[in-house]
Amino acid sequence: KNEVEQSPQNLTAQEGEFITINCSYSVGISALHWLQQHPGGGIVSLFMLSSGKKKHGRLIATINIQEKHSSLHITASHPRDSAVYICAVRSYSGGGADGLTFGKGTHLIIQP
Amino acid sequence: GAGVSQSPSNKVTEKGKDVELRCDPISGHTALYWYRQSLGQGLEFLIYFQGNSAPDKSGLPSDRFSAERTGGSVSTLTIQRTQQEDSAVYLCASSPTSGGVPLSTDTQYFGPGTRLTVL
Repeated sequence: KNEVEQSPQNLTAQEGEFITINCSYSVGISALHWLQQHPGGGIVSLFMLSSGKKKHGRLIATINIQEKHSSLHITASHPRDSAVYICAVRSYSGGGADGLTFGKGTHLIIQP
Repeated sequence: GAGVSQSPSNKVTEKGKDVELRCDPISGHTALYWYRQSLGQGLEFLIYFQGNSAPDKSGLPSDRFSAERTGGSVSTLTIQRTQQEDSAVYLCASSPTSGGVPLSTDTQYFGPGTRLTVL
């Protein structure tokens, strides 16, 4: 089973700071997703990556397949970015639920 | 347009009782997913539907859990003889194409969840 680790678990920063959240996994994957969960529980899918880099507004996601590592960056952070950010991977190793693993999330707070 | 809706938003039940959780996906979305998020734990995949059929049920934690989907639309997740460890937020998501596997290449749209508390 793939082991997905996120760091940091908690992060508090000031408005405007550049934020990096990391995700590492243990087994080769076919896709990696970054999800955002706001207070109150709503979840939004931010990115799906299988290689390289994607950018959407102030959010950038990168993945290094060889190092089994992905990062989510937030530029010019804003209090509305405060949320839990979750990394999820689909592994090659198994089918169905065995191949789908979530990290425990990074709780981000941006202070004004 | 309307997003994914779930009902009830909160459910408190006694240990041993059966519960039904409902998910209304976005109209026209062929794929529907159920997840669970327990306190202090990450998201856990339970089951997904491609149309009315569930190709993969292996994420269901025990045979007390079952799910069905009718008319390619509404889905219900049923938990029989609930236990305290079933307490969690149950999330439903839908996507416009099946993709064949959960979270492969399709954007998923999540509902607000049902918070289940088993006393």
